[in-house]
Amino acid sequence: DAKTTQPNSMESNEEEPVHLPCNHSTISGTDYIHWYRQLPSQGPEYVIHGLTSNVNNRMASLAIAEDRKSSTLILHRATLRDAAVYYCILRDHRGNNNDMRFGAGTRLTVKP
Amino acid sequence: KAGVTQTPRYLIKTRGQQVTLSCSPISGHRSVSWYQQTPGQGLQFLFEYFSETQRNKGNFPGRFSGRQFSNSRSEMNVSTLELGDSALYLCASAQGDRETQYFGPGTRLLVL
Repeated sequence: DAKTTQPNSMESNEEEPVHLPCNHSTISGTDYIHWYRQLPSQGPEYVIHGLTSNVNNRMASLAIAEDRKSSTLILHRATLRDAAVYYCILRDHRGNNNDMRFGAGTRLTVKP
Repeated sequence: KAGVTQTPRYLIKTRGQQVTLSCSPISGHRSVSWYQQTPGQGLQFLFEYFSETQRNKGNFPGRFSGRQFSNSRSEMNVSTLELGDSALYLCASAQGDRETQYFGPGTRLLVL
């Protein structure tokens, strides 16, 4: 499985943008880039995913490098409720499986 | 729609015992995946069931098993519990292949 590398932790101030980086230099052409986050005492929740183009949804934006070897999750205005561990995961969209291989993720702290 | 539910939420067992955890997926979802989360190893994939068949399995001993019923509800069983099995066990459901996974709140198992 292709591996991802994320910083262990990041800090942000409330209401400021946050850019969470992810490196995936061995990504294959059929790998989608998925982001999940895990709030304290909860299961992970889906944030966003993309293949090549940048993506936006109500929660965040995903910026994907042209060579696809890295990506950045952007929270436009961090709130205290965004404090969580953020996971960048590569999912091969070939084949019949739904397993996801989580790394250590980035623990985001949001300061008031 | 109701989310993924897991029962029980908390459980205490002793070494050598066995345990059964239950997961009810979102209505209409046919895929159920199980994960183990520990502070040392993070989130690790256990297995996935799709239409009552195990499709994929992670790197866990045979003491960990599961099944899925015709209504898509799933159970996982751990026999001969060890102290190291203490963890948060998470269940996730998806509508089909390579779809977004929705996680339950988890069952926290403590083995004494």
